Amino acid sequence: SQKIEQNSEALNIQEGKTATLTCNYTNYSPAYLQWYRQDPGRGPVFLLLIRENEKEKRKERLKVTFDTTLKQSLFHITASQPADSATYLCAPGSGGYNKLIFGAGTRLAVHP
Amino acid sequence: GAVVSQHPSRVICKSGTSVKIECRSLDFQATTMFWYRQFPKKSLMLMATSNEGSKATYEQGVEKDKFLINHASLTLSTLTVTSAHPEDSSFYICSARDGGSKRAQETQYFGPGTRLLVL
Repeated sequence: SQKIEQNSEALNIQEGKTATLTCNYTNYSPAYLQWYRQDPGRGPVFLLLIRENEKEKRKERLKVTFDTTLKQSLFHITASQPADSATYLCAPGSGGYNKLIFGAGTRLAVHP
Repeated sequence: GAVVSQHPSRVICKSGTSVKIECRSLDFQATTMFWYRQFPKKSLMLMATSNEGSKATYEQGVEKDKFLINHASLTLSTLTVTSAHPEDSSFYICSARDGGSKRAQETQYFGPGTRLLVL
């Protein structure tokens, strides 16, 4: 069955450093992969979408890579800030109408 | 753009009663909406996919008679938890897909969630 794996342990980093979160998937060939941010007690917020033919995508301090050979996506936040503290979810998808399957998410804590 | 609202944000009810949660896409037409359930510190669990004008598609293990879904218009889907019990207490989140281009449909826009507590 399709499986999405994200670091289950919280990631603690110092303010200003780069945070790197990992998303691995198995039994799946997604056409694209999305990253969402979720704050406690809130719904997820869409951040970035990267397609299978794109190696890297950037948006302000965010960078996402997508390696279809390794079946892995990396999510980077540069110059991290305490306001970046949240849970980050990855969700591979296939086709416009298919449902997304979400990973369990990685909790990021950025300390001043 | 792409705002999804949910109402109510929080509800407390007695065991045995039914609770209705509304999900609205405010600035786009959503041909497809999704309903998720999330337990504390756990991932989103898809309950059902709701398509406007047709019956919802439920995920395995989700009771369709207990979780009634109605997607009567392109901007509104409702989830009714019938005869709620304490084990139904959870965080319910809806999401919607823009019914525009195929690429627009790839992204899901989430509502803020509804916290249900059944006493």
